Amino acid sequence: GAGVSQSPSNKVTEKGKDVELRCDPISGHTALYWYRQSLGQGLEFLIYFQGNSAPDKSGLPSDRFSAERTGGSVSTLTIQRTQQEDSAVYLCASSSTMDGGNYNEQFFGPGTRLTVL
Amino acid sequence: LAKTTQPISMDSYEGQEVNITCSHNNIATNDYITWYQQFPSQGPRFIIQGYKTKVTNEVASLFIPADRKSSTLSLPRVSLSDTAVYYCLVTRSNDYKLSFGAGTTVTVRA
Repeated sequence: GAGVSQSPSNKVTEKGKDVELRCDPISGHTALYWYRQSLGQGLEFLIYFQGNSAPDKSGLPSDRFSAERTGGSVSTLTIQRTQQEDSAVYLCASSSTMDGGNYNEQFFGPGTRLTVL
Repeated sequence: LAKTTQPISMDSYEGQEVNITCSHNNIATNDYITWYQQFPSQGPRFIIQGYKTKVTNEVASLFIPADRKSSTLSLPRVSLSDTAVYYCLVTRSNDYKLSFGAGTTVTVRA
């Protein structure tokens, strides 16, 4: 497809389990971003990749969160030992450059809704 | 970056024009005004961006007065499918950390 895809669309897990969330960006997009969106919390930046490097991990809430990107394409966000407060929609976005045709235009996937019981 | 203020919700009917005004009193010279749209269970989608005066595309128009302390997103002849949350952002060209507030929930009724 032409857009950003994410899988799974929904994930229900038990507290303490590890989860992996996957993002397939738009082909050719060098920049990739992870955000999470909680009810009433707006959009929270987690991490930014340029190629396979992550120059900005400042938004990762704790060391239980990690992300990687391989081949300049697919990215995986891993949450270890999940907690109930990790429940949120995790959104991935990509863009062609940091400041492409429209400044700040990022293309978002549909998100993964994570529920930690 | 400049804080933005926009109404929490707006109701409209099909075929009407919807105007959402966003206040950004502390906007800086290098800042742009950017609007995103988010449908239920989908990620946000870039709608329009402007610096000053008026910008129009196939989806919306953006009106920015000379002092740039506010902006108005105009959605012409809305349909039920325009029901969504609309976010106003003040951004700089090298920003990549998008930050959305609560946005404006626009509900279009038949």
